[in-house]
Amino acid sequence: RKEVEQDPGPFNVPEGATVAFNCTYSNSASQSFFWYRQDCRKEPKLLMSVYSSGNEDGRFTAQLNRASQYISLLIRDSKLSDSATYLCVVNSTGGFKTIFGAGTRLFVKA
Amino acid sequence: DAGVIQSPRHEVTEMGQEVTLRCKPISGHNSLFWYRQTMMRGLELLIYFNNNVPIDDSGMPEDRFSAKMPNASFSTLKIQPSEPRDSAVYFCASSRPSGANGNTIYFGEGSWLTVV
Repeated sequence: RKEVEQDPGPFNVPEGATVAFNCTYSNSASQSFFWYRQDCRKEPKLLMSVYSSGNEDGRFTAQLNRASQYISLLIRDSKLSDSATYLCVVNSTGGFKTIFGAGTRLFVKA
Repeated sequence: DAGVIQSPRHEVTEMGQEVTLRCKPISGHNSLFWYRQTMMRGLELLIYFNNNVPIDDSGMPEDRFSAKMPNASFSTLKIQPSEPRDSAVYFCASSRPSGANGNTIYFGEGSWLTVV
């Protein structure tokens, strides 16, 4: 089993749609969680951290369920510019080992 | 502030040649990571350093790969001899602890390697 697993995608959605990505992790001792965004032929960039109580940044909402070892990302009112690959990221105890999921591709169409 | 700086950005080399990729982390960051990304395997952690010391190199694929960090502002990833299956994007990244939320990792723009 992979340490971090994500929905395989791709997700094809129309503009304005709401889309949700899921991610599970295997190490129950993991302490920090993030969502990164990667555009085609670019480097991954931090989208948002994921806090235990859940957090929102504009149209983006991240949720963490430690009991189920599950992270989610919700994008509301999708824009064409949201088209990218979204990477789920988990930090192990001590913060030294960061594991990236394989990513979920999102295509937002007009 | 300058981000993570990698060189070369693109390299095409012949099988059997030595390849050296270079990285300058963000000033003040004490952790440095080398990742490899391909379509088939996604983003793989090759090795990471903390305070210039290699902490985990279990991701290094084989003895042909080596990495060094002689000081806090410079690291190299070397492949010798290179093979076509080494073709990939190699990302260098750096971080420093950011409180209770752990480490935010910042990536360089990557070195695009093609071995023919």
